[in-house]
Amino acid sequence: NAGVTQTPKFQVLKTGQSMTLQCAQDMNHNSMYWYRQDPGMGLRLIYYSASEGTTDKGEVPNGYNVSRLNKREFSLRLESAAPSQTSVYFCASSETDRENSPLHFGNGTRLTVT
Amino acid sequence: AQSVTQLGSHVSVSEGALVLLRCNYSSSVPPYLFWYVQYPNQGLQLLLKYTTGATLVKGINGFEAEFKKSETSFHLTKPSAHMSDAAEYFCAVSGSKAAGNKLTFGGGTRVLVKP
Repeated sequence: NAGVTQTPKFQVLKTGQSMTLQCAQDMNHNSMYWYRQDPGMGLRLIYYSASEGTTDKGEVPNGYNVSRLNKREFSLRLESAAPSQTSVYFCASSETDRENSPLHFGNGTRLTVT
Repeated sequence: AQSVTQLGSHVSVSEGALVLLRCNYSSSVPPYLFWYVQYPNQGLQLLLKYTTGATLVKGINGFEAEFKKSETSFHLTKPSAHMSDAAEYFCAVSGSKAAGNKLTFGGGTRVLVKP
């Protein structure tokens, strides 16, 4: 029972490089999310997808783009990485986008930008 | 707008002692409240949630939380700490239908359990 799978687990980038973080869920959930976690700041929402075919900005979308490739997959792209994007990134999914639908998280991608 | 404040970024408890983690929220609408736990190098797992109904909510691993509207609080407790409770705990709120399931998280409280 895989749940939410994120790849890669670790990544080091130089400033200006690009990369895509991959996320897939096997729970047939409709909604998916990307969060970043920084010390003392909890998790902050970058982008979310309420359902297949829709995406919307969260609290901290600048410098990121997303693609909801299909119902299972939701990728996060950094076009030109900056040191401020050094963080741990979590993908999550939920059955619906209703406010009481719990999130299921992947194990995270630890990204360092030098 | 909604927000969450967790008092204390680090808490140290002795094995067998009470665990109390504090969470206060602000929300312009009746909130839905959650506690998540994060073990090292893992994602967050749901401990418990309050949506409507009974204000004392029981979760996994012996944890419970009480929703107090008058105090805008949702503190997490466990009567007797176990070594396996060492983790980081996050309180989160979601509110209006407009906000959907976009949770707002507190800054987290890291729990250390001493033998």
